[in-house]
This record gives sequence, C-alpha cells and structure tokens, in this order.
Amino acid sequence: SQQGEEDPQALSIQEGENATMNCSYKTSINNLQWYRQNSGRGLVHLILIRSNEREKHSGRLRVTLDTSKKSSSLLITASRAADTASYFCATLSESGAGSYQLTFGKGTKLSVIP
Amino acid sequence: NAGVMQNPRHLVRRRGQEARLRCSPMKGHSHVYWYRQLPEEGLKFMVYLQKENIIDESGMPKERFSAEFPKEGPSILRIQQVVRGDSAAYFCASSRDSLINSGNTIYFGEGSWLTVV
Repeated sequence: SQQGEEDPQALSIQEGENATMNCSYKTSINNLQWYRQNSGRGLVHLILIRSNEREKHSGRLRVTLDTSKKSSSLLITASRAADTASYFCATLSESGAGSYQLTFGKGTKLSVIP
Repeated sequence: NAGVMQNPRHLVRRRGQEARLRCSPMKGHSHVYWYRQLPEEGLKFMVYLQKENIIDESGMPKERFSAEFPKEGPSILRIQQVVRGDSAAYFCASSRDSLINSGNTIYFGEGSWLTVV
C-alpha cells in the first residue's frame, strides 16, 4: 500500500523563492528520507530524519518531522533553476517479511522558473 | 568507485517476450533492492535480495516475475511473457548493510526503461 503521500503534486515557483513540500504517512516508521529525481534519471538521496528527531538541516534543505501527525515537510530555501526535479519522501518501516522496507510516495514535481 | 550500474538503460520488447534487467551493486554492497516506477508515480518496492538469497519479495507479482542475486555476477530481474502493463522504469538500489543499519547509505542506479509494444 502507498505509504508516503506528498503534496502538492506539482509546484511552480520563481528562482529565489522558498519551496515547501509535505509528506504524510500511515504506519509507524524508523526514519523518513527525501529523495530527488531529475527527469529520466535515478534517485538521489537528500536527507534522512530519524523518528526521534524533529528537525534537520543540510545546506539549503530543512526537514521537519511530526510523528504525532505522521507528516514531514521539506523546505528548499533560495531556490535555483537547477532545483527543478521531482521530490519524493520515503519511509523506512518494518515489513511483514521481517525486514525493513523503504516505501515511496508519488512525489512533488517542482519547477523553478529563472 | 562506480555507482550502481544498470543495463540495459532502455529495452523494447514485444508482448510475450522475456525481459532481463541487470544490476551491478556498488563495490562492497551485498544488499540489492528492485523498485518499479510507473509514469508520474513514485517507486514501488518489488524485491530485496542479499547474495544468493531472496529476503523479501512481498512486492513482486506472483507470476512472470523473478529475481536472483548469484554469488558471482549481477542481480537479474526477469520478466517472462511481458504485457503492456509491464512498461515502466525499473530501478535497482544497493546498500552495504541492511536498511535498518545503513541509514542513508542506499544508492540507486539510473534505471532501466522497459517498453512493451
């Protein structure tokens, strides 16, 4: 079943503005990760936040996690045209098969207009 | 240090044919994961393998799909008797340890795009 659900599905902003993407999930998690995918390419890991953390920063990225609401947000500050990509949240949780599974949402397509 | 290598990058198959997708994990990585991505969708987990063993195949369709990760050589995702609905991007990822131990050290390949005509 789909775990992470991002919103908005698509976001268009001007260069220099901030971009905020949200992700909601359903089950308990070990950690939540954000990935970036350029069109026709593989996924690149951006940032990981553990279930006992509330906020994390990495360069222009800021991630928050609210486990009581089962939601996370990714903020990209001072956006650049090169940030144009699809962004996915992924939750790590125990699968029924006794291992851990990374489950992805449908993603937010971000367009940054120069 | 080469990343996760997938080939072919693009594959066209007629309905009923077989598709074989290969994945060479990063050096030193013994855990391999296959995901499928439909257009405009996120990645859906298919199977998790560790050298010679299938650990979790809960996302794999019961029929026509199989995966292996032999002691020597790449991991193979095999789709028999392909149908139009199999058209998708198939991504492989690898990690040195299991995901619970690896944190953010899971690396994705560039994907194999399968088109069934």
